[in-house]
Amino acid sequence: DAKTTQPNSMESNEEEPVHLPCNHSTISGTDYIHWYRQLPSQGPEYVIHGLTSNVNNRMASLAIAEDRKSSTLILHRATLRDAAVYYCIQRGSNYKLTFGKGTLLTVNP
Amino acid sequence: DTEVTQTPKHLVMGMTNKKSLKCEQHMGHRAMYWYKQKAKKPPELMFVYSYEKLSINESVPSRFSPECPNSSLLNLHLHALQPEDSALYLCASSHYRSTNEKLFFGSGTQLSVL
Repeated sequence: DAKTTQPNSMESNEEEPVHLPCNHSTISGTDYIHWYRQLPSQGPEYVIHGLTSNVNNRMASLAIAEDRKSSTLILHRATLRDAAVYYCIQRGSNYKLTFGKGTLLTVNP
Repeated sequence: DTEVTQTPKHLVMGMTNKKSLKCEQHMGHRAMYWYKQKAKKPPELMFVYSYEKLSINESVPSRFSPECPNSSLLNLHLHALQPEDSALYLCASSHYRSTNEKLFFGSGTQLSVL
C-alpha cells in the first residue's frame, strides 16, 4: 500500500493559520491525495482531496507540490474545534483508502 | 441526508455469541466499506463492497462475515470473536469505488469482547 509521511504532532494557536505537511514520494500519476480528520470519539471526516492543482473548499486549502511528492493542508484560521488527528492518504488504483498514523493537531486557546 | 448511520453504538459480547453490526446510508452510494480501529491507532480497512458485491477483503478472519443485502445497507456478522477483536468498527460509503471519490464515515460501533 502507498505510504505517506506526516509529523506525529503539531501545535497551533487559535485564530492562526496551520500548515500540515505530508510527503508522498512514491505517488504515481493517477493517485489522488486525500485528507481526512478524526475528532475524538467520532469517525473520520473528509477534509479535501486533489490530484495536481491546488484545491480550496470551505474547510481548508490543499497545496500540492509541482512534482507531487509532497502536499500541505492549510487551515486558514484554526479554531478549538479543529483539534483532531489529520490523515494524509495517497489513494491509488487499488481504490483503497489506507490510513497512516496521521498528525495530532493541538490548538491552544 | 448525508449521514451514515451505524447501530448499535456500543456492543458487549461474549466469545461464544453471535451478533451483527448494521450500517445504513440513503445517499445513493454504491460503494461501502468496513474499517476496524483499535485505540490510538489509525483505521484499518477490512472490506469493500461495490454495487453490492464484495470487491476487497483484506485477509480478514472468517469470524467476521460481511453482507450487503441492498445498496443502502451493510452488515457485519460476528461469531466466535476473541478479546483482541475489541475495537471501534467504522462503516463508510462513497458514490463509487473510485480514487476521486470522498468517503462518508459513520460514528462507529464500539465493540467489547469478553
